[in-house]
Amino acid sequence: QSGLTQPPSASGTPGQRVIISCSGSTSNVGINYVFWYQQLPGTAPKLLIYRNDQRPSGVPDRFSASKSGTSASLAISGLRSEDEAHYYCAVWDDSLTWVFGGGTKVTVL
Amino acid sequence: QVQLRESGPGLVKPSETLSLMCTVSDGSISGYYWSWLRQPPGKGLEWIGYIFHTGTTKYKSSLESRVTMSVDTSTNQISLRLRSVTAADTAVYYCARGADYTVWTDYYLADNWFDPWGQGALVTVSS
Repeated sequence: QSGLTQPPSASGTPGQRVIISCSGSTSNVGINYVFWYQQLPGTAPKLLIYRNDQRPSGVPDRFSASKSGTSASLAISGLRSEDEAHYYCAVWDDSLTWVFGGGTKVTVL
Repeated sequence: QVQLRESGPGLVKPSETLSLMCTVSDGSISGYYWSWLRQPPGKGLEWIGYIFHTGTTKYKSSLESRVTMSVDTSTNQISLRLRSVTAADTAVYYCARGADYTVWTDYYLADNWFDPWGQGALVTVSS
């Protein structure tokens, strides 16, 4: 199995909308749920989105996600300084393992 | 609110065995999927394997020959052992709780998640 492809970086000014892409294949994104994790500097990752587009309780609705075919995306609307973090997509691959994207570092300018 | 904490030696010699413990507090191990993951310094995330409260496991195939996970429901602890380590195994190791499906099925391996995570334990492999 190969990992998922994410852009290494993304940026925006406060209030802007930032979109992070996650590209996979028919053996993972194309057939299974996509999950997103946020990792703030120096901390453990935190579940941000589950089952393609569902937000756990406590996650602001500024965060939204979608999936189409073998690609998925995470959108952050109304960007805030506290959103500066690494964001990872993850999905179960039919080779029986979890695969992650390389992570996207979001910078608030 | 459930909390997870990893513990174990921070330094392991090459060819030896890495051993870590994950202690679960304010919650039960039973009925959940549990995972170990790791993150080399400055790099991305890698899943190591699942363990269910019954002791059923599923390991990443590339690590399967070196990994053993176990669970002790009486002490609410989950352990990880990784044999024959090399410098490439240097990473922050995390334990994380998965979904509460209460049964083990292949389908649930895909419809699962990691939430919450422990704070992580840095393990350096060096002589």
